[in-house]
Amino acid sequence: AQKITQTQPGMFVQEKEAVTLDCTYDTSDPSYGLFWYKQPSSGEMIFLIYQGSYDQQNATEGRYSLNFQKARKSANLVISASQLGDSAMYFCAMREGVYNQGGKLIFGQGTELSVKP
Amino acid sequence: EAGVVQSPRYKIIEKKQPVAFWCNPISGHNTLYWYLQNLGQGPELLIRYENEEAVDDSQLPKDRFSAERLKGVDSTLKIQPAELGDSAVYLCASSLGLAGTPTDTQYFGPGTRLTVL
Repeated sequence: AQKITQTQPGMFVQEKEAVTLDCTYDTSDPSYGLFWYKQPSSGEMIFLIYQGSYDQQNATEGRYSLNFQKARKSANLVISASQLGDSAMYFCAMREGVYNQGGKLIFGQGTELSVKP
Repeated sequence: EAGVVQSPRYKIIEKKQPVAFWCNPISGHNTLYWYLQNLGQGPELLIRYENEEAVDDSQLPKDRFSAERLKGVDSTLKIQPAELGDSAVYLCASSLGLAGTPTDTQYFGPGTRLTVL
């Protein structure tokens, strides 16, 4: 069965520093997609970054990058130059099947990130 | 471009009362999802629609929950009767689905926070 594990319930980071949020996954399907979402206190889930299992390079989107280690089944999110507005819950999610458009997402428990001024 | 719209944002009801949530997806998005998010947890899929067809409702408690997506656009999720354990955030999301790219990002609305007293 698919499973996403986020082992860090809470993290603190100093403003302008980088932070890594951990995510490990379990699936028997060789084809899958990994997603990271940010959920501020307002409640809306905001898409940050995507990594497909067949992608050769780690995904990057502005200050967000994904450290994808396929053999270890990990997909850690790296946020560079943290800003106060980055304080939020962060969820890792997986969808089985890279070409499974419309497939459901399986979410982890989330990590609450707090950025200190 | 307007995002996913949900209403109401907050709802407080007494147990055994009925309640309904409404979702308007992003224009042109064929796939619509309803997720349930309990406090401190990641979202879990309740039901997924491809146009007006429910293609995955395996996690929907059908004895008290129902959903519809008439004309393949707006959707309504209903609970009747509500129980104390239904207190949670109900998130609606949409994506292009099969017409989209492999990423097929799911975009979420702000959610409806339900409190059952």
